[in-house]
Amino acid sequence: GAGVSQSPSNKVTEKGKDVELRCDPISGHTALYWYRQSLGQGLEFLIYFQGNSAPDKSGLPSDRFSAERTGGSVSTLTIQRTQQEDSAVYLCASSLETGETQYFGPGTRLLVL
Amino acid sequence: AQSVTQLGSHVSVSEGALVLLRCNYSSSVPPYLFWYVQYPNQGLQLLLKYTSAATLVKGINGFEAEFKKSETSFHLTKPSAHMSDAAEYFCAVSETTNFGNEKLTFGTGTRLTIIP
Repeated sequence: GAGVSQSPSNKVTEKGKDVELRCDPISGHTALYWYRQSLGQGLEFLIYFQGNSAPDKSGLPSDRFSAERTGGSVSTLTIQRTQQEDSAVYLCASSLETGETQYFGPGTRLLVL
Repeated sequence: AQSVTQLGSHVSVSEGALVLLRCNYSSSVPPYLFWYVQYPNQGLQLLLKYTSAATLVKGINGFEAEFKKSETSFHLTKPSAHMSDAAEYFCAVSETTNFGNEKLTFGTGTRLTIIP
């Protein structure tokens, strides 16, 4: 079956612009996670969804970051007024239920100029 | 909170030699531990996981890891390195948050280079 997919694979944007990153989890997976992988910070947890709700947003670095999940499936991570320090690879993962193994997508490489 | 330390950001081994990637964890409760591998321009792929069953865990591609509670370690090994093993390897510990979800905390990664 298909794994986790993310789009776009690469995104270059100018400082101050908004960007949307998309994640399609594995079909039937109820839990969805966003992580960020950057040179200075390594791999960091951003947000967790169970179904359409996000009980754990503790990793979002600022209020410029938001995410939603619709229909218990696709999730969108939005970064408003991007800054150069937002440049990173944004990884999405899903699991059948919380506590189960997380399967990762290929990531979106974001470069803010 | 849990944490993970990976000793050695870069490791080089000769093809056919033993691979040993080190991981130490800090956890206040019995941990779930993971090793993930990341090939260039790809996402993370699960190599193996420890979930409090057998302390020696076998994974894909000939890798295995041993959970040692006394040493708080979960080192990754492979008896004979192959060129295709060149990648970055991440150790991670899972914790249950106050919100009830499992969150992975990763080490900083070890880049493995295989010398022909």
